[in-house]
Amino acid sequence: NFMLTQPHSVSESPGKTVTISCTRSSGSIASNYVQWYQQRPGRSPTTVIYEDNRRPSGVPDRFSGSIDSSSNSASLIISGLKTEDEADYYCQSSDSTNRVVFGGGTQLTVL
Amino acid sequence: EVQLAESGGVVVQPGGSLRLSCAASGFTFDDYTMHWVRQAPGKGLEWVSLISWDGSRTDYADSVKGRFTISRDNSKNSLYLQMNSLRSEDNALYYCVAVVLATAFWGPGTLVTVSS
Repeated sequence: NFMLTQPHSVSESPGKTVTISCTRSSGSIASNYVQWYQQRPGRSPTTVIYEDNRRPSGVPDRFSGSIDSSSNSASLIISGLKTEDEADYYCQSSDSTNRVVFGGGTQLTVL
Repeated sequence: EVQLAESGGVVVQPGGSLRLSCAASGFTFDDYTMHWVRQAPGKGLEWVSLISWDGSRTDYADSVKGRFTISRDNSKNSLYLQMNSLRSEDNALYYCVAVVLATAFWGPGTLVTVSS
């Protein structure tokens, strides 16, 4: 099976833009959709991006997703950072049998 | 509104057994695949198991295969996880997850503590 690798932590200032990467170890990043989940401290995860770049209703358009086949990675981009965006973010994809794979998570600090 | 409510998490001794439940509402339960995902204290998310809408297909992470069994009762809108031969590494918050129209919804979780 493949792995998804994320940076352990990122930090950025309020109002700025941050990008969190998620690199697939084998197989094409484009072969299965990528989802992104936000987990605030002490809370359950919630979906911020599904199917690579789609936002559930209620998620602000400051959140966007993309995939890059050249680097075999997906990215979560958060613009206009707010302190409330401070959380752990996880990417997730599936293999050909629909087994779920999570990235290790990225801690976002907004300072 | 999709709602999921896990229950059944307790303190159990190594080698013991436990059955987790998840009550689902707000969507057509028997239309969708369901998952269990766990999170050890201070760690990341780990997928545990899935079951297809009709129960015909199940799959497990290698770490739990042969010890855990997922099942569902569509007449009760309920998902279950039978956990046997529990180990200290099974210590975690267990989430029930529904993927409805491509969006994942998570319950609040139920805590399983394996300790003597």
